[in-house]
Amino acid sequence: AQSVTQPDIHITVSEGASLELRCNYSYGATPYLFWYVQSPGQGLQLLLKYFSGDTLVQGIKGFEAEFKRSQSSFNLRKPSVHWSDAAEYFCAVGARGTYKYIFGTGTRLKVLA
Amino acid sequence: EAGVTQFPSHSVIEKGQTVTLRCDPISGHDNLYWYRRVMGKEIKFLLHFVKESKQDESGMPNNRFLAERTGGTYSTLKVQPAELEDSGVYFCASSQGGPVQETQYFGPGTRLLVL
Repeated sequence: AQSVTQPDIHITVSEGASLELRCNYSYGATPYLFWYVQSPGQGLQLLLKYFSGDTLVQGIKGFEAEFKRSQSSFNLRKPSVHWSDAAEYFCAVGARGTYKYIFGTGTRLKVLA
Repeated sequence: EAGVTQFPSHSVIEKGQTVTLRCDPISGHDNLYWYRRVMGKEIKFLLHFVKESKQDESGMPNNRFLAERTGGTYSTLKVQPAELEDSGVYFCASSQGGPVQETQYFGPGTRLLVL
């Protein structure tokens, strides 16, 4: 069965520091991979997605993610965090030909001024 | 263009009562999804509509949950009677096409607390 693991429930970083949020997935083939962010009072917003091709994917708000097949990982990174990045981040996978996402449990990011 | 909207934003009810959640998708989106997040857990798929037809309701917990999408526009999710374990955040999403490579746009969720 497909599953997604986000091992860090909470992460705290200082403003201006770099950020890496971890995501590991379990799936028999290469799935479609997504990162969503939910800011307080908002819906989930798509940051980026990976289907195939270049394993380094650029997204909105200065985020990027790298697909590593050998490690079954799709970690999210940002070189310099801004206070407005404080939110909850969700990694998700989708099987080709299906309509539903499988989400991880989320990582809540706190940014210190 | 308006995003996905959900009503109410919060609902607190007693065990055994009925609650109806509403979702208005982005105009023109034929695909509508319901997901649920129980506190501390992952967001889980409940069901998928294409227009007014249920395509996949494999994630619906039990027959206390009833989803409808009359006329292929807005959708409602009714819980009757509500139980304590139904507490959580209910998200609605919509997409223009499918499958998963089409971006799903999510609403802010309805926070349901069953006492």
